[in-house]
Amino acid sequence: AQSVTQLDSQVPVFEEAPVELRCNYSSSVSVYLFWYVQYPNQGLQLLLKYLSGSTLVESINGFEAEFNKSQTSFHLRKPSVHISDTAEYFCAVSDLRNYGQNFVFGPGTRLSVLP
Amino acid sequence: ETGVTQSPTHLIKTRGQQVTLRCSSQSGHNTVSWYQQALGQGPQFIFQYYREEENGRGNFPPRFSGLQFPNYSSELNVNALELDDSALYLCASSPIGRLNEQFFGPGTRLTVL
Repeated sequence: AQSVTQLDSQVPVFEEAPVELRCNYSSSVSVYLFWYVQYPNQGLQLLLKYLSGSTLVESINGFEAEFNKSQTSFHLRKPSVHISDTAEYFCAVSDLRNYGQNFVFGPGTRLSVLP
Repeated sequence: ETGVTQSPTHLIKTRGQQVTLRCSSQSGHNTVSWYQQALGQGPQFIFQYYREEENGRGNFPPRFSGLQFPNYSSELNVNALELDDSALYLCASSPIGRLNEQFFGPGTRLTVL
């Protein structure tokens, strides 16, 4: 079984400042890692994912995350945030031994970007 | 290409009633998963359907049941509603052969009074 920990429930940050949202996971097998974003009153949108290969993955809107196997972490970073980045961010892991039915989400981090 | 759609958007029921939530998968997707997202929490996996059969289930009681139809649309049924069933219910579909990708619908907000 897998579990996901997001250490910060809320992260306030000023516009144009850098931000890091932390994610740690626990699993006895290899996993795939994901970050999803949820804007108010909307479903989840995939932000980025790590499946294999380079441990640094990037999204089209400036976010990046780095898979660290030794620390079992997949922290999300952005060097300069915008007001529009205000949302809830969820880290998730998937154990594909069971054909994708084991997506486990963390409790989420609410990012608030202040003007 | 249309995305994943869900209906209704909001629903209010009373304790003990039954509810059916609907999901239309994205074109080319043959797997659908359902999640329950309680207020302030991350989504919890309910079950997944593939080729009209349940393909995995989370820690939810049997009163949560589902169906997948030949056109890959899906239903989530909940019997004997309890107050704790109040949540956002999310449907996610996956493309054929790409189960590591899940595309989410906007969700149905269920309130049980």
